[in-house]
Amino acid sequence: NAGVTQTPKFQVLKTGQSMTLQCAQDMNHEYMSWYRQDPGMGLRLIHYSVGAGITDQGEVPNGYNVSRSTTEDFPLRLLSAAPSQTSVYFCATALSGGRYEQYFGPGTRLTVT
Amino acid sequence: GNSVTQMEGPVTLSEEAFLTINCTYTATGYPSLFWYVQYPGEGLQLLLKATKADDKGSNKGFEATYRKETTSFHLEKGSVQVSDSAVYFCAPSNAGGTSYGKLTFGQGTILTVHP
Repeated sequence: NAGVTQTPKFQVLKTGQSMTLQCAQDMNHEYMSWYRQDPGMGLRLIHYSVGAGITDQGEVPNGYNVSRSTTEDFPLRLLSAAPSQTSVYFCATALSGGRYEQYFGPGTRLTVT
Repeated sequence: GNSVTQMEGPVTLSEEAFLTINCTYTATGYPSLFWYVQYPGEGLQLLLKATKADDKGSNKGFEATYRKETTSFHLEKGSVQVSDSAVYFCAPSNAGGTSYGKLTFGQGTILTVHP
């Protein structure tokens, strides 16, 4: 039982490149979300999904795209990387939205030069 | 939407000292309240939670009580250990409307415990 996995662990991109951050879970959770963590700013929600086929925007969605075709996977796509997207990205899941605690992956550290 | 005001750090304590990290929140509706902890180089993990007024969440010697009248959820521990050194996040969640399932995080409080 792996829980929440994220790949890659580290990534360096050049400005303008695109890439996909992967998130997978084996807990059969309905709810999945992506956060970015920047120094002194806590975690900010990028996008979230309440079930397969359903996604919605969080606080800071610009420059990111998501889809949820299966319960297990929730990839985050950077369309054209910018230095402002240098951050640590966390995927989190929950049994469902609302009052349930979220389970976080180990994070992906992204640097855009 | 929700917002969180969390005690600014960093907080530096000696082992066996008493710890309080203050957290107050504003929220629409009736949120669940969580404390998460992040150890160096890791993701966040749930430390404790409370889902209704006057509930006390507890885990690993940490406690926090859901105070609806003061909209607070302060974290306490009677005797900290070096292994408690980490970043602590207060986070209310909501169950309804456009805030469904969203966690709103405080900026985090860095705790360092010296032997």
